[in-house]
Amino acid sequence: DIQMTQSPSSLSASVGDRVTITCRASQDIKNFLNWYQQKPGRAPKLLIYAASALHSGVPSRFSGSGSGTEFTLTITSLQPEDFASYYCQHTYSTPPYTFGQGTKVEIK
Amino acid sequence: QVRLVESGGGVVQPGRSLRLSCSASGFAFRSYALHWIRQAPGKGLEWVAVASYDGSNIHYADSVKGRFIISRDNAKNTLFLQMNDLTLDDTAIYYCARIIAMTPAEGDYWGQGTLVIVSS
Repeated sequence: DIQMTQSPSSLSASVGDRVTITCRASQDIKNFLNWYQQKPGRAPKLLIYAASALHSGVPSRFSGSGSGTEFTLTITSLQPEDFASYYCQHTYSTPPYTFGQGTKVEIK
Repeated sequence: QVRLVESGGGVVQPGRSLRLSCSASGFAFRSYALHWIRQAPGKGLEWVAVASYDGSNIHYADSVKGRFIISRDNAKNTLFLQMNDLTLDDTAIYYCARIIAMTPAEGDYWGQGTLVIVSS
């Protein structure tokens, strides 16, 4: 099974900061990589699919990059509503479609 | 609009069974693969299982393989998760979801989740 390693597990940032979260796959997953945002008590919401495609309705300050085994989620100019947890997930080939461990973005 | 509504959660003793349901509406249920994804209290997301559009292609996470059974009734627009031999580690919110796996046409839709508590 493919393992997804996400880092950091948490970070503190201020409104307006640029934030970068990394996800590493244990083998080549091409670009089959989703990024989700989750707020407490809510179901996750898709931000990015296919590693770099912005999901409908998602603000353009969110962007994704990478392919193969290394992927990045970037939030330019962090907004108050962006304080949440973020998860990567691969959907390459045969399941299981493993999630990363998550990154909690907190207010500095 | 697309709607996924889970039900069947509750408190159950270790070793017992529970069956979750996910009732779908607002889309052509028989055309989409559907997933179960869970989240233990204070923990991250864990993918659990998927059933293809017609239920013929099914996969499980290693943590539930041999204990959980995913199935679907396309005539009733309902997805199921039969959970057997439950352990404390199965305590979680269970989400039914239609996620983008192969193509963006699959969309991204999640239910509100149903809470399963395994406790003696």
